[in-house]
Amino acid sequence: KQEVTQIPAALSVPEGENLVLNCSFTDSAIYNLQWFRQDPGKGLTSLLLIQSSQREQTSGRLNASLDKSSGRSTLYIAASQPGDSATYLCAVVAGYSSASKIIFGSGTRLSIRP
Amino acid sequence: NAGVTQTPKFRVLKTGQSMTLLCAQDMNHEYMYWYRQDPGMGLRLIHYSVGEGTTAKGEVPDGYNVSRLKKQNFLLGLESAAPSQTSVYFCASSPREGGTPVAKNIQYFGAGTRLSVL
Repeated sequence: KQEVTQIPAALSVPEGENLVLNCSFTDSAIYNLQWFRQDPGKGLTSLLLIQSSQREQTSGRLNASLDKSSGRSTLYIAASQPGDSATYLCAVVAGYSSASKIIFGSGTRLSIRP
Repeated sequence: NAGVTQTPKFRVLKTGQSMTLLCAQDMNHEYMYWYRQDPGMGLRLIHYSVGEGTTAKGEVPDGYNVSRLKKQNFLLGLESAAPSQTSVYFCASSPREGGTPVAKNIQYFGAGTRLSVL
């Protein structure tokens, strides 16, 4: 059974620092992995999606990497800003079919101190 | 372009009551999903649909039913609500057709429905 883990559950860093959020999964047979941002009381916003054949995706100050063999993905945030404060979730689509089920991690709550 | 719209935003039910949550998307997406989010447990998939007229069970389907009679709408029903169904419910959709492999798999979420069952 696919399990997705995000450690730590919460992280606080000063503004301007570069930081890395971690996501691990137990079954390497994934279709894709997606990183989301969730603000308090809001829905989820997709940040980056990495297909199983890809190693990384970049968008602005964000870079997501994928290492299927080790069952790990990282989300790198450069030059963090207070507006980056939110909960970040990763999710994997299990299996090789586009109709496969999606499994979410429980998220990392990020706080950027001004 | 409203994206994914969920109604209602809030609801309080008594144990045993029934209700239907509505999800509507105006992006012509093929796939739609219903999730519940509970503290410390992330999001768990309840049911999903790969197209009009089709539905499938997710990770936690018990106590819920769904219907996708129209492509743009995905309904989640609770026939007899229980306190364990107190949660925040999210609907999402994804294209799954056309565009790049990345673009067609991105999920777009609604703002959520906060449900309390007393």
